[in-house]
Amino acid sequence: AQTVTQSQPEMSVQEAETVTLSCTYDTSENNYYLFWYKQPPSRQMILVIRQEAYKQQNATENRFSVNFQKAAKSFSLKISDSQLGDTAMYFCAFMKPNDYKLSFGAGTTVTVRA
Amino acid sequence: EPEVTQTPSHQVTQMGQEVILRCVPISNHLYFYWYRQILGQKVEFLVSFYNNEISEKSEIFDDQFSVERPDGSNFTLKIRSTKLEDSAMYFCASSEIGRTSGQGTQYFGPGTRLTVL
Repeated sequence: AQTVTQSQPEMSVQEAETVTLSCTYDTSENNYYLFWYKQPPSRQMILVIRQEAYKQQNATENRFSVNFQKAAKSFSLKISDSQLGDTAMYFCAFMKPNDYKLSFGAGTTVTVRA
Repeated sequence: EPEVTQTPSHQVTQMGQEVILRCVPISNHLYFYWYRQILGQKVEFLVSFYNNEISEKSEIFDDQFSVERPDGSNFTLKIRSTKLEDSAMYFCASSEIGRTSGQGTQYFGPGTRLTVL
């Protein structure tokens, strides 16, 4: 089984500021896929961003961007211009090629303060 | 925007009873999944389903669990004889294709909170 580690259980950020969430993973695969999902208090899982390991360019979705460091097996998420609606649990997830399941990290709770 | 739906949002049952959790995947998706999240813990994979059969299942998915696609739209998870430890949030997900390409991204439903008393 793949191991996904999120070392920050909780983070707090002031509205309009930037916060970076860390994620590391363990794999012997050369090609794979990484995801960040957001889980607000409603508990729905919402896809935030996706990164293919063969792509060197870091993925970006509006205020969300990743710093993918393949050699270090690191996949951090940066939330810029934080908004109150960004308050949620954020999960990092890994998927191997030719596999059907996501392996999730333990999650990081982000609280955006007004 | 198409989305995965799940019913009920909350199910309360007595230990030993059977429950069926229902999901309607996104209409053009072909792969379906169930995950669960025990309160305070990480999301865990249960099973994946394609072409009317299980593609992969985890060690959690034992004989008391089963999945079915009874018609062209619904995808169900049945727990035959519930235990206290089955209390969790159950998420259904779907993807266009199973292989990990741009179309393989899994989209999740809002979840069903199962409480076993």
